[in-house]
Amino acid sequence: GQQLNQSPQSMFIQEGEDVSMNCTSSSIFNTWLWYKQDPGEGPVLLIALYKAGELTSNGRLTAQFGITRKDSFLNISASIPSDVGIYFCAGQLRTGTASKLTFGTGTRLQVTL
Amino acid sequence: NAGVTQTPKFRVLKTGQSMTLLCAQDMNHEYMYWYRQDPGMGLRLIHYSVGEGTTAKGEVPDGYNVSRLKKQNFLLGLESAAPSQTSVYFCATRGREGRSYNEQFFGPGTRLTVL
Repeated sequence: GQQLNQSPQSMFIQEGEDVSMNCTSSSIFNTWLWYKQDPGEGPVLLIALYKAGELTSNGRLTAQFGITRKDSFLNISASIPSDVGIYFCAGQLRTGTASKLTFGTGTRLQVTL
Repeated sequence: NAGVTQTPKFRVLKTGQSMTLLCAQDMNHEYMYWYRQDPGMGLRLIHYSVGEGTTAKGEVPDGYNVSRLKKQNFLLGLESAAPSQTSVYFCATRGREGRSYNEQFFGPGTRLTVL
């Protein structure tokens, strides 16, 4: 099955630094979603993107839907300790009724004080 | 309002044993999904359901069966567990319309080890 290429795999940054991660696919998607997973919990939706070129913010998070519809980027500004976790991108192609998601392999973020 | 709950939270099985994982939701969502999460692999879809009484195969369905007898419950069964099924299993739900149409809500996960 298809998996999205997500990079970097892991990041170690200092508190206050900005973070960038991206996701690329060999096929197009109608929707890009970014999730965060805390240890021992299920993923929680951070941002959803619905149109090519769209730039959307949620607090310190900003995400963009690539023009080619094959990629997406997530930026976190001024990182804080609670940003620690695994970030997943997910692409959605709305065919049929199930609108299944394809997930990236995740970016593990560690924030040091 | 509990959202999406999963039972059990942890389980250890021996090869060949069977078990059922339960997902329950109180959001009146039509769609329900079962994923497995393995290190470095992200989440992969096992089976899903678009409504009560219907199920369909996902990306990695082999070795699993599912049932959706009630709208609020989605069961994942392992008839004869294998070590390759050691994983963390997540259930997710999604609504049919409105803001919840694109968002899948995840449960807290079930960590399964098969010896």
